[in-house]
Amino acid sequence: SAVISQKPSRDICQRGTSLTIQCQVDSQVTMMFWYRQQPGQSLTLIATANQGSEATYESGFVIDKFPISRPNLTFSTLTVSNMSPEDSSIYLCSAGQFNEQFFGPGTRLTVL
Amino acid sequence: AQTVTQSQPEMSVQEAETVTLSCTYDTSESNYYLFWYKQPPSRQMILVIRQEAYKQQNATENRFSVNFQKAAKSFSLKISDSQLGDTAMYFCALKDSNYQLIWGAGTKLIIKP
Repeated sequence: SAVISQKPSRDICQRGTSLTIQCQVDSQVTMMFWYRQQPGQSLTLIATANQGSEATYESGFVIDKFPISRPNLTFSTLTVSNMSPEDSSIYLCSAGQFNEQFFGPGTRLTVL
Repeated sequence: AQTVTQSQPEMSVQEAETVTLSCTYDTSESNYYLFWYKQPPSRQMILVIRQEAYKQQNATENRFSVNFQKAAKSFSLKISDSQLGDTAMYFCALKDSNYQLIWGAGTKLIIKP
């Protein structure tokens, strides 16, 4: 199994600002993902972070709003840009292979 | 398109009882994985159990076991001797060759003392 850490664990931000969330995995992994989750609801995939190339975004999510970096096989960042209250959510980093996938503890973001 | 359906939004049982959470799915692929994840109020998503579609034997992890019915596309989770710490949201998920997880809506499980 992989252990995934995220920073920050929570933050309160002003609208119009940006926040970068960091995700660190304790082993090299092929696939890394970023999800958004509203409390009590299921997960929505934002994008797949590809090492050495641009992230692959799901419908409804764009690179200008959610730029992602993945400089190596153990680390990725997600930036939430020009935030609005609608961006308030829990953001989860995930990593794994075909037969397993593990999650970070999440970042709770509140936008005022 | 792949789908995962959890038809029980919420369930509650007494401590030490056995509870079964249901999950049905749809995929056109022959090779895939099915997972059950647990998310307690701490929000950490924890992998409970996984099943490879090619394996006929049902997966078991301590008190957790699955009933995998491939033809019926059913993947239920049984929790035996339930404990207060089992209180959580439980999500069923499918992963196929696209390497993406398709999630069910979740079942909120409450274990009562």
